[in-house]
Amino acid sequence: QSVLTQPPSASETPGQRVTISCSGSNSNIGSNTVHWFQQLPGTAPKVLMYNNNQRPSGVPDRFSGSKSGTSASLAISGLQSEDEADYCCAAWDDSLNGYVFGTGTKVTVL
Amino acid sequence: QVTLRESGPALVKPTQTLTLTCTFSGFSLKTYGMRVNWIRQPPGKALEWLARIDWDDDKYYNTSLKTRLTISKATSKNQVVLTMTNMDPVDTGTYYCARALHPQNYLGPWGPGTLVTVSS
Repeated sequence: QSVLTQPPSASETPGQRVTISCSGSNSNIGSNTVHWFQQLPGTAPKVLMYNNNQRPSGVPDRFSGSKSGTSASLAISGLQSEDEADYCCAAWDDSLNGYVFGTGTKVTVL
Repeated sequence: QVTLRESGPALVKPTQTLTLTCTFSGFSLKTYGMRVNWIRQPPGKALEWLARIDWDDDKYYNTSLKTRLTISKATSKNQVVLTMTNMDPVDTGTYYCARALHPQNYLGPWGPGTLVTVSS
């Protein structure tokens, strides 16, 4: 199964803004909505964003999502130490008839 | 409150068949729009989607693993079962089940996961 491409790491100081990219293709991001997950060490992924830019209840509005063409991005503003985690994107792929996941980005709060 | 929990053997030998059960509560797989997915994560690596079963019993499989996977549901027990044949050490990882909602395009929540090690 193919994957979506993310930068392996991103870092910023507390209070700053960090953006994570997710690059796909016409059959996945280009045709379907994007999900974002946060994964703390040793825990299951937690839904951070769905339908490109919708936050489940309980997710702070510091997190925002966007999509353009075959790419998507997740932005974290007002970075906090508790945001230090792995972040992963996902989308349904119409050619593969299955979900494809991103390679994952580790966010470090300096 | 929607919860899911994976169960199955922690250790399997190469060539054996793995059977994992996802037991859920807070929703029914008889309800329109409900879906359950299996996803795995090798240690230190990215998530990989394995299979999905829908409320209407439609089934979808990872094309690379399709010949080895079978997903089924026991609706009355609120369970979804995944079997994977011919296990190999590269199949070692944490296996998760996660609910999906249609048409909301929501993939969650996820179960805590179960670690499966393939070793002789």
